[in-house]
Amino acid sequence: ETGVTQSPTHLIKTRGQQVTLRCSSQSGHNTVSWYQQALGQGPQFIFQYYREEENGRGNFPPRFSGLQFPNYSSELNVNALELDDSALYLCASSLRGGHYEQYFGPGTRLTVT
Amino acid sequence: QKEVEQNSGPLSVPEGAIASLNCTYSDRGSQSFFWYRQYSGKSPELIMFIYSNGDKEDGRFTAQLNKASQYVSLLIRDSQPSDSATYLCAVTENTGGFKTIFGAGTRLFVKA
Repeated sequence: ETGVTQSPTHLIKTRGQQVTLRCSSQSGHNTVSWYQQALGQGPQFIFQYYREEENGRGNFPPRFSGLQFPNYSSELNVNALELDDSALYLCASSLRGGHYEQYFGPGTRLTVT
Repeated sequence: QKEVEQNSGPLSVPEGAIASLNCTYSDRGSQSFFWYRQYSGKSPELIMFIYSNGDKEDGRFTAQLNKASQYVSLLIRDSQPSDSATYLCAVTENTGGFKTIFGAGTRLFVKA
């Protein structure tokens, strides 16, 4: 166990809806990164938050947005859900921002119908 | 060219053998390199990280980094059936913001 928690575990949404996923970082970690993992693929980097600021972003459209709170927990928001958004969403925390090692939570399985 | 490339496998080795997993990356400015293990239905688990050229050993695992050739490898000595999993290589770039890029993973089977 890494100490990173995510909620909910599973979620089913309808195309066009909005979803919010939550992550609590490991104690002492101030950086959270979010990833999308489709079946049979490696995780795809969405963005990283360091001390409440976005610190890097992957090739995802603006309808993927995030927040980091003063306690370093984080939210991933996805608007206008599409069928292709169905995936495992992973949160990872690290001690510092940038290029340091990351520890993953258990993930949230999102299904869009 | 994909940013991080791995042989998808499956790689099959007998119990007790050395498993060798390889990864190449495209961004010469990449700063940090990671190996994760992922069991089916679970999230990735960090097993090794390396920042400098050369070898880094931790128990049965050795990570090797060659920045000039842009490859990183993972050796697993005395492979066990419990090592059977998908191994993900990840590289962190800093191109106007930090990005961690994962390969698609190599499936490893260790036969008892």
